[in-house]
Amino acid sequence: DAKTTQPNSMESNEEEPVHLPCNHSTISGTDYIHWYRQLPSQGPEYVIHGLTSNVNNRMASLAIAEDRKSSTLILHRATLRDAAVYYCILRPSGTYKYIFGTGTRLKVLA
Amino acid sequence: DAGVIQSPRHEVTEMGQEVTLRCKPISGHDYLFWYRQTMMRGLELLIYFNNNVPIDDSGMPEDRFSAKMPNASFSTLKIQPSEPRDSAVYFCASSPPAGLGGYTFGSGTRLTVV
Repeated sequence: DAKTTQPNSMESNEEEPVHLPCNHSTISGTDYIHWYRQLPSQGPEYVIHGLTSNVNNRMASLAIAEDRKSSTLILHRATLRDAAVYYCILRPSGTYKYIFGTGTRLKVLA
Repeated sequence: DAGVIQSPRHEVTEMGQEVTLRCKPISGHDYLFWYRQTMMRGLELLIYFNNNVPIDDSGMPEDRFSAKMPNASFSTLKIQPSEPRDSAVYFCASSPPAGLGGYTFGSGTRLTVV
């Protein structure tokens, strides 16, 4: 399975944008890029996913590099409730297995 | 929708006892997953089902673990006999047929084996 690399932790100020990076240099052409987050004492929560084009939804935006070897999850205005561990995961098309890495722990400062 | 429902939320049991964790997936979701989370190993996929049939159980740690899905609305994960190293948070998740919209996870069962 293709592997992702994320920073262990990041900090952001409240109401400022946050850019969470993910490297996936061994990604294959059929791998979808998924992002989940896990708030304290909760199960993981789906955030967004994409294949080649940038994607936006009510929670976040996903920017995918042209060569697809990296991506960035963008939270446009961080709130204290966004403090969580954010996981970047590759999922090959046609499979249903997520292999979670260690993720990035985001701390939001008031 | 009530989401994915897991029970119990917390379970404390003695080593050697049988433990059964329960999960009710979201109606209409035909994929069901069991994950385990520990500080040391993070989130690990144990097994997943499609249309009530086990598809991949390669993550099940050993024969002490078994999972069933007798119908579309119910699944169990059983540990017999339990050991202290089984202490973890166990999550159940479900996914609709297309799958690409992401999984919905339950709130988890925190298992402590003493």
